[in-house]
Amino acid sequence: GESVGLHLPTLSVQEGDNSIINCAYSNSASDYFIWYKQESGKGPQFIIDIRSNMDKRQGQRVTVLLNKTVKHLSLQIAATQPGDSAVYFCAENSLNTGGFKTIFGAGTRLFVKA
Amino acid sequence: KAGVTQTPRYLIKTRGQQVTLSCSPISGHRSVSWYQQTPGQGLQFLFEYFSETQRNKGNFPGRFSGRQFSNSRSEMNVSTLELGDSALYLCASSPLGTGGKEEQYFGPGTRLTVT
Repeated sequence: GESVGLHLPTLSVQEGDNSIINCAYSNSASDYFIWYKQESGKGPQFIIDIRSNMDKRQGQRVTVLLNKTVKHLSLQIAATQPGDSAVYFCAENSLNTGGFKTIFGAGTRLFVKA
Repeated sequence: KAGVTQTPRYLIKTRGQQVTLSCSPISGHRSVSWYQQTPGQGLQFLFEYFSETQRNKGNFPGRFSGRQFSNSRSEMNVSTLELGDSALYLCASSPLGTGGKEEQYFGPGTRLTVT
C-alpha cells in the first residue's frame, strides 16, 4: 500500500554540525508534506511544511527540500544543537477515496553529541 | 491559547475490556484526527472528524470508533481490547481541516497498555 519511509532509522551528529534527514514517499499525487519532531513523552510538533509546487522552503535553521521526480523529501538542520535530539517524522497528505489522509514515515532518531 | 489536551494520560486495561479516550482540541479548531503510535508500525491514521462528522478513516477494524461533539471535543473508543492495541494514542487538531493542507497540533497522547 502507500507508504512514506525513511532511509536511515538513526542519525548521530556532532553538536554544531549540519544534519540531513531523508524521506521517500510513494504517492506521486501527494501535494503537501510536513516534517514533525517528537521528543520523548510528547506528541509530534510541527517543524516545517512544503507544498508540491515548491522544491525548497526555509525556516529558522531548517530547510526542507522536495524532489518530486524521485519522490524524495529531506530535512536539513543547520548548526545542530542538543535540543534537536528527537525523532523526526516526515508526513505526506494525499487524497484517497475517504478524503485527505496524512501518512507518516517510520521516523528517524537524531542523536546530537556534545 | 491552551494546546490539545488528552485524558487520561495513562491507562491499563485487560483483554476483552473496552476503553474510551478523550481529546479536547485547541479552541476554535474544528478538525480532530486520531493516530495510533507503536514501535513496530509507527504513526497510523485512525480517523478524522470535522463538524461532528467522520470525514476520513484509516485501515483499522470496526472495534475502533470515534465521535465528535458540537464543541469539537472528540472521543475514541476501542472495544474488545487485544494485546496488540497497546500503543500511544495521539489526537491532533487543525483549524479548518482544509483538505489536509494545514499543520496539525498534537496532544501528548494517551498511553494504553493492554494486559
